[in-house]
Amino acid sequence: NAGVTQTPKFQVLKTGQSMTLQCAQDMNHEYMSWYRQDPGMGLRLIHYSVGAGITDQGEVPNGYNVSRSTTEDFPLRLLSAAPSQTSVYFCASTPLENQETQYFGPGTRLLVL
Amino acid sequence: DAKTTQPPSMDCAEGRAANLPCNHSTISGNEYVYWYRQIHSQGPQYIIHGLKNNETNEMASLIITEDRKSSTLILPHATLRDTAVYYCIVRVAGGGADGLTFGKGTHLIIQP
Repeated sequence: NAGVTQTPKFQVLKTGQSMTLQCAQDMNHEYMSWYRQDPGMGLRLIHYSVGAGITDQGEVPNGYNVSRSTTEDFPLRLLSAAPSQTSVYFCASTPLENQETQYFGPGTRLLVL
Repeated sequence: DAKTTQPPSMDCAEGRAANLPCNHSTISGNEYVYWYRQIHSQGPQYIIHGLKNNETNEMASLIITEDRKSSTLILPHATLRDTAVYYCIVRVAGGGADGLTFGKGTHLIIQP
């Protein structure tokens, strides 16, 4: 298993541009989540999904959209990037049978100029 | 979810046991204690969790006080690769998608 994969690893955007951060998992986990981590801070939840076709907002959802058309994929969309969205983004997946453990991807570093 | 308090940083000599404390004085009866760690530039990694009994796995041991107001994560034989930020998190079990509240954690530095 590759686990949780994220692409790209690093991205530079200009203010106002749009982009999609990709997240995929091959462990057939029902739950998936997106977090952001700013320097010196803990992780903050952006959006999450408890299954295909179901998404919900986390602590900091503004400026981000998500969809979950398949169990494997959970892309995060920035419709109009802002400098405040400069951060490291982590995707995580959780199995239904062991909800105590979240498996995190390696992260995407995003710089918005 | 109950709040947790951890020291911002700790040092430990390689090969010694690393004991990381966490205070969670407002923990509720149905809340578990979780520990994750984040090695520099990587995603967080699950270590261990427990409710009230002490727990041990291949990575670490978790000691929870009888009143459950504090806990200690023990790495029995620390190596340089254990240098990371360690997060103590308290939350109700289950609901695995709706997020873990990560504070600032403890930066553990293993000294050679």
